[in-house]
Amino acid sequence: DAGVIQSPRHEVTEMGQEVTLRCKPISGHDYLFWYRQTMMRGLELLIYFNNNVPIDDSGMPEDRFSAKMPNASFSTLKIQPSEPRDSAVYFCASSPPSTLIYNEQFFGPGTRLTVL
Amino acid sequence: AQKVTQAQTEISVVEKEDVTLDCVYETRDTTYYLFWYKQPPSGELVFLIRRNSFDEQNEISGRYSWNFQKSTSSFNFTITASQVVDSAVYVCALIGQGGSEKLVFGKGTKLTVNP
Repeated sequence: DAGVIQSPRHEVTEMGQEVTLRCKPISGHDYLFWYRQTMMRGLELLIYFNNNVPIDDSGMPEDRFSAKMPNASFSTLKIQPSEPRDSAVYFCASSPPSTLIYNEQFFGPGTRLTVL
Repeated sequence: AQKVTQAQTEISVVEKEDVTLDCVYETRDTTYYLFWYKQPPSGELVFLIRRNSFDEQNEISGRYSWNFQKSTSSFNFTITASQVVDSAVYVCALIGQGGSEKLVFGKGTKLTVNP
């Protein structure tokens, strides 16, 4: 069974451009998480969805960030306009259904974003 | 607020040495879960273990062992007879069954095992 799929794996863009990161969770998982990892702050939760509904977006840094989950097999994280401080590795993770916000989360390979 | 502290930023050992990675956590929840993830150079996070707050038994899996002590709010990870393939960043995480149900991560410990 395929794991969490993220695209692109690497993205280099210029300040001010729009960036869209994509994620396909593991089939059957109904939790989806977006994280950001930087050297300074480590891994931070940006937003998570349950059954395609955003549950907690308090980690989204500002209005430039938005996330959607139009269906159970696809989610996007968009940054518009991008800034150099957004440079980081962005991870998507999914976990199986039930109460299992406490369950193991399966991580994708990440998208390394560089904003020049 | 919940917090995970991994005080060791980087550790370097020689192959076959034992190494312990420290993890100290803070939470007000009585029920919580602790995790360790491995992040190899390729970047993805690989789940290693989950432990709930009511189970203080130590766990051993091959060369890996975990020591959970509620009295000191610690969940330390030991690799016995380290190997070069163990080189990675190891991240400890916590989620509480209470007000804020978010996985909170430590900043990770980078382990380098030299031949």
